Amino acid sequence: KNEVEQSPQNLTAQEGEFITINCSYSVGISALHWLQQHPGGGIVSLFMLSSGKKKHGRLIATINIQEKHSSLHITASHPRDSAVYICAVTPYMDSNYQLIWGAGTKLIIKP
Amino acid sequence: DAGVTQSPTHLIKTRGQQVTLRCSPKSGHDTVSWYQQALGQGPQFIFQYYEEEERQRGNFPDRFSGHQFPNYSSELNVNALWLGDSALYLCASSTAGGTYEQYFGPGTRLTVT
Repeated sequence: KNEVEQSPQNLTAQEGEFITINCSYSVGISALHWLQQHPGGGIVSLFMLSSGKKKHGRLIATINIQEKHSSLHITASHPRDSAVYICAVTPYMDSNYQLIWGAGTKLIIKP
Repeated sequence: DAGVTQSPTHLIKTRGQQVTLRCSPKSGHDTVSWYQQALGQGPQFIFQYYEEEERQRGNFPDRFSGHQFPNYSSELNVNALWLGDSALYLCASSTAGGTYEQYFGPGTRLTVT
């Protein structure tokens, strides 16, 4: 079993829909990251969370440390949101050394 | 404030050749991590540099080596290139004692023919 699990693996939705991507992890963490990667492109850091909730524009990320679960929400989705969204964690006591990566969720927003 | 920069953006090499990729961290960051991302796969951790030393290494052969300079920029060197080394190489910067947030560069696309 992977230490970081994402669901769904693939998601196709219509423009304007509310999107939720989930991430569950099995290790103790110092931080959880949500990242975005467009096809053929580099990785962009969206959020880093250690507790609670963060919002940036139409993106919202939440984390429940007790349940070891995080969600990424996109409100009023747009075709330009189409990308792979990746959840990754910084293991507790491992500082910055390396991230443990989820497999990613491929999101397609149709106009 | 410039973010993480990488050069070159694209590179084509022949099997057996050597390649050097470069990364400049975000201003204020002193730690650089390198990742390899093969097509359709997730990133794989290569190594991390802090205080000009390799602090941790992933499961990569000695053909992969690196260096960090006093200005915190870093190089990734790959010797004796294989076809399987074709990938997107990502650099991420962070602060060693900070909030663990990693900022990623745009990557260097390496193609080995």
